[in-house]
Formats: sequence, structure tokens, C-alpha cells
Amino acid sequence: AQSVTQPDIHITVSEGASLELRCNYSYGATPYLFWYVQSPGQGLQLLLKYFSGDTLVQGIKGFEAEFKRSQSSFNLRKPSVHWSDAAEYFCAVDLPNTGTASKLTFGTGTRLQVTL
Amino acid sequence: DGGITQSPKYLFRKEGQNVTLSCEQNLNHDAMYWYRQDPGQGLRLIYYSQIVNDFQKGDIAEGYSVSREKKESFPLTVTSAQKNPTAFYLCASSPRDRATGELFFGEGSRLTVL
Repeated sequence: AQSVTQPDIHITVSEGASLELRCNYSYGATPYLFWYVQSPGQGLQLLLKYFSGDTLVQGIKGFEAEFKRSQSSFNLRKPSVHWSDAAEYFCAVDLPNTGTASKLTFGTGTRLQVTL
Repeated sequence: DGGITQSPKYLFRKEGQNVTLSCEQNLNHDAMYWYRQDPGQGLRLIYYSQIVNDFQKGDIAEGYSVSREKKESFPLTVTSAQKNPTAFYLCASSPRDRATGELFFGEGSRLTVL
């Protein structure tokens, strides 16, 4: 079955430390890949996306992600975390060639806590 | 400013009552979506609409209904048939060009059924 997995439910890092959030997918073809961030009680904001081409993509707020086809992964990274990065992060996928709507499938999310 | 407006932000209802959540966008987007969010389950697609007067069921449509009479509006009704309606509901929209791939989200409506 098609799926998106975020194995880490909750991660705590110290401010200034590096961060990596994991995302794995299981699809027959390479999907479009996204990372979104959600602050408490708010909607979601797009951090970055991968459709094709360069497998290392840069996003907003200093985040980057690397697509690894061999591992079916799209992990999110940040070299130095700021306290304002505390939020919930969602990996999402969309299959190409499925009409004009983007029917994203989301992972279950990883909640990031930042300690000072 | 362009964006998506959801209302109300908080809503309390008694069991057995139908509830309608509003979603309005001024981004001139063709597609609109409703997602349900529960703790530990991520977001699940309820309904989506690619064009006015057309909508499709998502993964968890049972107990919900929608309409798309105007491009700007995509209200969601949570009916009494929905067995567990307490949740956070998110509306989103996207432009026709899927190459952008981005969904734009509202700030959500939290429904609590007492």
C-alpha cells in the first residue's frame, strides 16, 4: 500500500544544534515530495518541495531536504536550530499525472521541541 | 492581503447536530480541499474540488458533505452521521498549475462535539 512514514513522533534538540527529520515513502513511482510546518493551532506553511532535478532542495527559514531514490527518503535538515523552529513538521507526497488537484498524502508528523 | 479565511475558529456543538464550517479564498485558485487533523494521525483528506460545481470524495468522506457554488467558497458540513466529529479542520486551496505543487492553508477550525 502507498504510504508516507515519519518514524519520529517527537524530537528535542538544543538551540544551535543541527536537525534532521526523517521521511520515507512507499509509492510505485517517484512522487512529488513536500515538507510543511505547523505552529500550534495554525494552518500549514510550505517549507520546500521536490519535483525533479537536483536532489538537494533549499527551502525557507534555512531548511533543506535531500531526496534519495535508493532509500525512498526525503529527510529535512537544518544546520543550526533556532527556538522559533519549535513546531510540528509534516512530510507529504503527491502523485504526478492525477488531474489538476494536488491530493497530498501526509505523514503523521514530527513535533520538534527546542531547548535553550 | 490574499489568503484563506476559515470560520469559526472554535465551535462547540451538541451531539446529533449538523455543523457547517466556512472556507473562503481570494487567491483565485481553482482547487480547494478539506482536511481533518487528529493528534498523531496527520492530515486526512475529506473532500476536494477542482472546479466550481464539482467535488470529489477524499479518503474519509463519510459523514461529511460539501458544496462549491462559487470559486471562492467551499463550505464543509459535518453531519450527525459522522461518528467522531471532534477534530481540527483545515481548508486549503491550490492553483490550477500543479507544477507549483503548493497548498495554501487556512488557520483551521476546531470543532468540539459535547
